[in-house]
Amino acid sequence: EPEVTQTPSHQVTQMGQEVILRCVPISNHLYFYWYRQILGQKVEFLVSFYNNEISEKSEIFDDQFSVERPDGSNFTLKIRSTKLEDSAMYFCASSEYGGAGELFFGEGSRLTVL
Amino acid sequence: GEDVEQSLFLSVREGDSSVINCTYTDSSSTYLYWYKQEPGAGLQLLTYIFSNMDMKQDQRLTVLLNKKDKHLSLRIADTQTGDSAIYFCAETRNQGGKLIFGQGTELSVKP
Repeated sequence: EPEVTQTPSHQVTQMGQEVILRCVPISNHLYFYWYRQILGQKVEFLVSFYNNEISEKSEIFDDQFSVERPDGSNFTLKIRSTKLEDSAMYFCASSEYGGAGELFFGEGSRLTVL
Repeated sequence: GEDVEQSLFLSVREGDSSVINCTYTDSSSTYLYWYKQEPGAGLQLLTYIFSNMDMKQDQRLTVLLNKKDKHLSLRIADTQTGDSAIYFCAETRNQGGKLIFGQGTELSVKP
């Protein structure tokens, strides 16, 4: 069964460092997303991406965050200068039809900022 | 604003039915979802329902939607120890697919 894959599964970084989290969405999907889950809190929407541009972003997704689809398969989330409060599980998701049906998540990348 | 609420814990005995409840505030919700998260794992899509449906059944899972009361439930028949996990309710209103999640219900199944 096709799945969304994410790397790395866990990354530890120093505050102020740049981090790139990578995702390979399901191959025929057109909509891509990043969500995050701070320990013990709700899963929160960060950004959606369609047709090579951001279609929606939350207030969490400030100038420190960026997304890119550098080639036909990868979808990346970059955090330019990490803060302690960026420590969370980051989930990538993809969907064939956007909000009209199934939205599949990856296993997540745990980011720990020290 | 949009909000989704769930009770935090549910404990059942193996073989019983589990019913996990969810309420939401957005009357424009189009799709409502149930995801399962096992310890240390990602979000597994269990099932989803379109807002013009009242019920959807998929093997041991039954989803009931009361749109008037903005109430969604997930019933798991013959609950097994492997069903122990956190179950998240989520809704979306827009074509872009931004999901609003509840805080998750931790289901504990005792033998």
